[in-house]
Amino acid sequence: EAQVTQNPRYLITVTGKKLTVTCSQNMNHEYMSWYRQDPGLGLRQIYYSMNVEVTDKGDVPEGYKVSRKEKRNFPLILESPSPNQTSLYFCASSLGGASSYNSPLHFGNGTRLTVT
Amino acid sequence: GENVEQHPSTLSVQEGDSAVIKCTYSDSASNYFPWYKQELGKRPQLIIDIRSNVGEKKDQRIAVTLNKTAKHFSLHITETQPEDSAVYFCAATVAGAQKLVFGQGTRLTINP
Repeated sequence: EAQVTQNPRYLITVTGKKLTVTCSQNMNHEYMSWYRQDPGLGLRQIYYSMNVEVTDKGDVPEGYKVSRKEKRNFPLILESPSPNQTSLYFCASSLGGASSYNSPLHFGNGTRLTVT
Repeated sequence: GENVEQHPSTLSVQEGDSAVIKCTYSDSASNYFPWYKQELGKRPQLIIDIRSNVGEKKDQRIAVTLNKTAKHFSLHITETQPEDSAVYFCAATVAGAQKLVFGQGTRLTINP
């Protein structure tokens, strides 16, 4: 089954403790992206990647890192989490980019992160 | 950069009635406008999209209209059903760009 898999689904951590949220897709998609979803703010892009070893900042990259060492994986790293990073995070992938007419974004199931 | 405003933030309609959600965008170069539906506890999923060379697109009970001059586009759902209850997000970007800018979302509730 074609899918984007995120882990974990739920994560509670403390300020400053490094964490990684994994994202993997099995559709051989070139494009992968991370979004955070907050009430009243919609989905905001954190980082995206057009291909292996190619990453770029989205609209809210502060406090986050990413890597794209393999085509299928795009982990999101929080080196020193803070309470304002408490949010619902979605990984997404697409064959042809964020806005290809015939290649929609496929989202993972989301990771709900709480930083205390 | 692109900015997308979405209204209303919440919408409640009687089953069988129509629902309309409106979005405005700022970048006149934007030419790709998708709509995503997110059911409670689920992931967003694309339900319909439109390019700027098309003024309207329909898919069964849902339709999207685009007014490029006024820089706004709308989602229309007719004959609403309980399964239409969800959060709907509009988005806008330039085709081929790598940033898709989303609106704030509309929580649609269909009352039986």
